Amino acid sequence: EPEVTQTPSHQVTQMGQEVILRCVPISNHLYFYWYRQILGQKVEFLVSFYNNEISEKSEIFDDQFSVERPDGSNFTLKIRSTKLEDSAMYFCASSEWGPQHFGDGTRLSIL
Amino acid sequence: AQSVTQPDIHITVSEGASLELRCNYSYGATPYLFWYVQSPGQGLQLLLKYFSGYTLVQGIKGFEAEFKRSQSSFNLRKPSVHWSDAAEYFCAVGWGHGSSNTGKLIFGQGTTLQVKP
Repeated sequence: EPEVTQTPSHQVTQMGQEVILRCVPISNHLYFYWYRQILGQKVEFLVSFYNNEISEKSEIFDDQFSVERPDGSNFTLKIRSTKLEDSAMYFCASSEWGPQHFGDGTRLSIL
Repeated sequence: AQSVTQPDIHITVSEGASLELRCNYSYGATPYLFWYVQSPGQGLQLLLKYFSGYTLVQGIKGFEAEFKRSQSSFNLRKPSVHWSDAAEYFCAVGWGHGSSNTGKLIFGQGTTLQVKP
């Protein structure tokens, strides 16, 4: 069964550094999403992306965040200057038109 | 505002016993409804979904869920729990257009299921 793939599985970064989280969505999917889960809290929506543009973003997704689909297969989340509170599990998801399929996540640790 | 509530943070059941995990949502119209399961170190796996039609939906691993519009609920059930069902379970609601659910998902807090031998 096709899967959403995320790399790396764990990223450790110094505060203030830029980080790029990578995702390979399922190949025929058109809608892409990023969510995050701070330890012990709910899974929270960050951003959705369709037709090469952001379709919706949450209050969390401020100017420090950006998303890109640099080629036909990858979907990336960039955090420009990381803060301690960005430490979380970040999940990528994709969908064709119905249910969203999630990757295994990237655990981001900010030191 | 749209919200999802899972009243039980932690549930322990004996292997072979039945299970019901509760989920309530707050929204003016009927949303799309999902249950996901997360095992330690893993991503979110879709168990089942409700988009429209028959209110009792079957999912993978022997799970089912019933949508009750009058109670704004979408409770997850399993008649006989296996030790491998121990995991965290998330209820989620989404919105879209027609038969397409392409909008964001809003998740509940999650329920951790522990299974006693």
